[in-house]
Amino acid sequence: AQKITQTQPGMFVQEKEAVTLDCTYDTSDPSYGLFWYKQPSSGEMIFLIYQGSYDQQNATEGRYSLNFQKARKSANLVISASQLGDSAMYFCAMREGPMYGGATNKLIFGTGTLLAVQP
Amino acid sequence: GAGVSQSPSNKVTEKGKDVELRCDPISGHTALYWYRQRLGQGLEFLIYFQGNSAPDKSGLPSDRFSAERTGESVSTLTIQRTQQEDSAVYLCASSLGGLDKRGQETQYFGPGTRLLVL
Repeated sequence: AQKITQTQPGMFVQEKEAVTLDCTYDTSDPSYGLFWYKQPSSGEMIFLIYQGSYDQQNATEGRYSLNFQKARKSANLVISASQLGDSAMYFCAMREGPMYGGATNKLIFGTGTLLAVQP
Repeated sequence: GAGVSQSPSNKVTEKGKDVELRCDPISGHTALYWYRQRLGQGLEFLIYFQGNSAPDKSGLPSDRFSAERTGESVSTLTIQRTQQEDSAVYLCASSLGGLDKRGQETQYFGPGTRLLVL
């Protein structure tokens, strides 16, 4: 079974509008972390935002916010006031298990969503 | 620079040859990770180092793949007898190995090595 599912292969958004990129995850571990990364055409992976499974509030980082719905196992990324420079691939990723005492901190990635911001 | 660096940026090789890919993590980062990204795909985990030890090698696809890390710094990923299906971007990431100022284990990625096996 897919651990991380991103159902939107591609999306368009108008400049200055908000966009939501979907991510659902599957884990039986009560302790986990959720990450979003941006990958522009140049190829580098840029960390955007993090949500821990025990965090009470939704994470926010500037124009990025994470809509964390634990019961539904979803962690959607919301980008407000889209800019042309936001055009890129966006990956949702999960770390299973606690940060400490776990055997690994590896990330499991989804297949990504290609976002195109139109002027 | 202060980020993760990888070399070479690009590598073209013939099927059956061995290749070595290098990763220099951010100074002071004790954790280091290798991932592979095939064209149009997400990242696949290969191996995780904590210090010079590799507690998780579960992602290495075959015994042709190996990695080592020395001095809690540089890591080398070696692919022996390369096959065409090994063609991909190989990404290295590092993290503090503890809570950073944001309070989470953030992995910072290098620019990757693009490997093409002909």
